[in-house]
Amino acid sequence: ETGVTQSPTHLIKTRGQQVTLRCSSQSGHNTVSWYQQALGQGPQFIFQYYREEENGRGNFPPRFSGLQFPNYSSELNVNALELDDSALYLCASSQSVVNTEAFFGQGTRLTVV
Amino acid sequence: QQQVKQSPQSLIVQKGGISIINCAYENTAFDYFPWYQQFPGKGPALLIAIRPDVSEKKEGRFTISFNKSAKQFSLHIMDSQPGDSATYFCAACYQGGSQGNLIFGKGTKLSVKP
Repeated sequence: ETGVTQSPTHLIKTRGQQVTLRCSSQSGHNTVSWYQQALGQGPQFIFQYYREEENGRGNFPPRFSGLQFPNYSSELNVNALELDDSALYLCASSQSVVNTEAFFGQGTRLTVV
Repeated sequence: QQQVKQSPQSLIVQKGGISIINCAYENTAFDYFPWYQQFPGKGPALLIAIRPDVSEKKEGRFTISFNKSAKQFSLHIMDSQPGDSATYFCAACYQGGSQGNLIFGKGTKLSVKP
C-alpha cells in the first residue's frame, strides 16, 4: 500500500506567478483535501475533491483552484501568487468524504519572493 | 473566530514524564476529534482519534480524554521519550455532513529532555 505523495517538495516562485502542486492519493482512497500550513500554525483547509468535483471549500480566494483526476490524484493551482502564499501545502487523502481518517503527504514548501 | 483552541503553545517534559496537551472546541456539531504528530519537514501523521460517545481512548502510551459537557479534550503521553519531541495538533471535524474537513488547533511544540 503506497502512501500519499506530493511533488515537488520545495518550490520558489516570484510574486504574480502561477504554481501547480501535485498529489497522489493513498491506494484505495477516493477523496483528496488540500491544506495550507503557515509557519508555526496549524493546517487550514483549502478545499476537498471527490469524484473529480470540488466538494467543499475553506476561506480561500478563487485564485486557489484544483483538479482531481480519474485515478484520484489531484492538483492545486494558485494564480497571481502573493508573498503571504508562502507556506507548506499539504495534501490529505481519505477513503470517503465522511471518513476523516485522513493521511497526509509530506507537503510542498512554497516560497514566494 | 478560532473554532479549536489548543494549549500550551510549547511544552518541555523530562524523559519518563507525562505530557499533557489540551484543546477546547466551540461547535457542538463536531463528532470526530483526532490528534496529529508532525516532525520538522514532514506532514502531520494521525496519532489517535476519539468520537464523543466515549470519554477516553488509549493506544499504547497515548491517551485521549474527552469531556463533552465542557467541550474539551486532551492528549496524554505517558513515559514521554526524546523521540516524542514533535509538534502536536488537535483537530475537530463534523462527519455528519457531505464533506468532513478538519479544523486544526495552532499546535503544541513538545520537547522531551533526556
